[in-house]
Order: sequence, then C-alpha cells, then structure tokens
Amino acid sequence: QITLKESGPTLVRPTQTLTLTCSFSGFSLSESGVTVGWMEGVGWIRHSPGKALEWLALIYADNGERYSPSLASRLTITRDTSRNQVVLTMTDMNPVDTGTYYCAHRRSSEVEFDYWGQGIVVTVSS
Amino acid sequence: QVVLTQSPSASASLGASVKLTCTLSSGHSSYAIAWHQQQPEKGPRYLMKVNSDGSHTKGDGVPDRFSGSSSGAERHLTISSLQSEDEADYYCQTWGPGIGVFGGGTKLTVL
Repeated sequence: QITLKESGPTLVRPTQTLTLTCSFSGFSLSESGVTVGWMEGVGWIRHSPGKALEWLALIYADNGERYSPSLASRLTITRDTSRNQVVLTMTDMNPVDTGTYYCAHRRSSEVEFDYWGQGIVVTVSS
Repeated sequence: QVVLTQSPSASASLGASVKLTCTLSSGHSSYAIAWHQQQPEKGPRYLMKVNSDGSHTKGDGVPDRFSGSSSGAERHLTISSLQSEDEADYYCQTWGPGIGVFGGGTKLTVL
C-alpha cells in the first residue's frame, strides 16, 4: 500500500526559502525503484486559493529531476533513499505562493499521479 | 506543450448523470489523461486514467458510477446516479513531454 505525507513549516516570511518533506512508504526511490520500462517517482503539486492545481516538480528513482518551466529557477527537488523521503525547496517565497502543497506518486510509464498525500497548508506572510 | 481545457462549472440534479469534458490541445489528441476529484476542504483523489481509445483504468475504491470515455481530443468523465458527495472540483491531468500538466478544473454542483 502506497502512502505519502507532507511535513514542513506552515508559515513562511516573504523572501525566505520554503523546505517541505514528503515521507512515503510502499515503494522505493532507490535502485530497486528502477525497472525495465518504468521507474518510481514522486512529484509536488500545489493548490493556491481560487486557482487550479499546479504541478511543481518531480524526481525519479534514477535521480532524474523535472521542473515546471515557470518555477524552475526557484525549485530544487532531492531524495533521501535511506529515509524514503523527498525534499522540495522553493526560494524567494512570496504571498502568492500561499496554498496547500501536496506530494504524489507517479510511475514514469504512466501519466497519472495515482496516490496523493493529505497536503500541508503553507502561508506566506510577514 | 500540451494544454488541457475544462469548462469552469457544471451542474446536475441528485440522481442524474453528468459528463465532464477535458480537451487536449492541437497535436496532442493521442495523449492519455487522468481525472482527479477534490472535495471541499480535502486533498485530490485519483479517479481514473482515460486513454485515447476510450479505455479507462480506475483508482482504488472508485465506485462503478464513475466511468471514462474519449472522442478525438476530448476525454470525458461521466458520473451516474449523482450523490451529494460528488459535489467537488474535478481536474484532468496529463504528462509530457517531461512536465506535468493540469486543466483548470470543473466545479460540479449537485442540485
């Protein structure tokens, strides 16, 4: 059974860097997560008030990273295979970055994010 | 880059059926898409993947009332026997090349 859970600060000051952690179980982002034809991945998606879901970044079991073109300059995604965690950092936070941040599982051979975390609400305010 | 277009809102009566549509941008009509449901104050839930041939694969525990279909560049989500808990935002999503893409979402109101 695949589960994911986000953790991190709920309040961030403008210009600060946000660091979020996704702790997961039921799959691996180590070498065992790479199979002929597909590999495991974890992505981050956010939901800002009044807006649609927005994909931010994704990391695969081969350590390949993918970023939203519009936010790539502010994002870094990394994995800790020993702890089964994925970390997202977003620099230069702004009030418009306020929202709920989710991590989700996706296999490289599929289009869908098939398992989601419960989300963490992040407010950017001075 | 692929773009997904959804109507902002839809409504249907309790017990009726509703068909939501997600349209793929020109040149991307072969893409599969996923449907996700987001109930008020809850996180998204994966419902199903819909392929270009209309076949679909549901997520864990998704009721039979939910089904998918395709027509050209359109991917559909049909919900039959509408229940009050179906009132939610519905997002389509795809991948490629190399990036995740979400549609703007459809807010479904159950009357």
